[in-house]
Amino acid sequence: QSSLTQPRSVSGSPGQSFTISCTGTSSHLGFYNYVSWYQQYPGKAPKLIMYDVSKRPSGVPDRFSGSKSGNTASLTIFGLRVEDEAEYFCCSYAGSWLFGGGTKLTVL
Amino acid sequence: QLQLQESGPGLVKPSETLSLTCDVSDDSISNSAYYWGWIRQPPGQGLEWIGSISESVNTRYNPSLESRVTIAADTSKNQFSLKLTSVTAADTAVYYCARHKGRALDVWGQGTMVTVSS
Repeated sequence: QSSLTQPRSVSGSPGQSFTISCTGTSSHLGFYNYVSWYQQYPGKAPKLIMYDVSKRPSGVPDRFSGSKSGNTASLTIFGLRVEDEAEYFCCSYAGSWLFGGGTKLTVL
Repeated sequence: QLQLQESGPGLVKPSETLSLTCDVSDDSISNSAYYWGWIRQPPGQGLEWIGSISESVNTRYNPSLESRVTIAADTSKNQFSLKLTSVTAADTAVYYCARHKGRALDVWGQGTMVTVSS
């Protein structure tokens, strides 16, 4: 089982909107709408920021938005803030849980 | 507020068995609504799901690790455990326990670093 594919690193400026992609296969990410996203700061545990493709847990700002088209899921952050600088992991469920390799977001 | 806390040796010798425990507070691991899982993260790398348990007996494992993994629950202590046999340096990682809510992992422990080295 290979991991989901994410860009290794991306960068943006405060106030910009940015999208992180996560590509899988038709048998995993494309099969169910069970995509979740996690935000991780260095040395900290991951934090759930999106589930079931586009649902935000309580407390997650509505600047974060999720979507999916075919075998690709996306996390969009509107109005980037310095505190959004972190690593972001996608995860897909299709009988088992499969993670992406992570995307390091730098806010310049 | 639900909290999970991993514990166990930080150093394991190659070919031996890695054993970790996750203590759960403010929820019951017998709650049929949830799975309880283990995830690991090698240094500088991504996350890997290891396996999960529900209702203390229903287990699911990552196919790539299934032959070496056992996850069990101790309802009397409200904790669940991970055993990974025949470890190598490739098993060096931060190990997290977490609760599955639906098909996502909504609450995580702080993680514990395990190094495999002689």
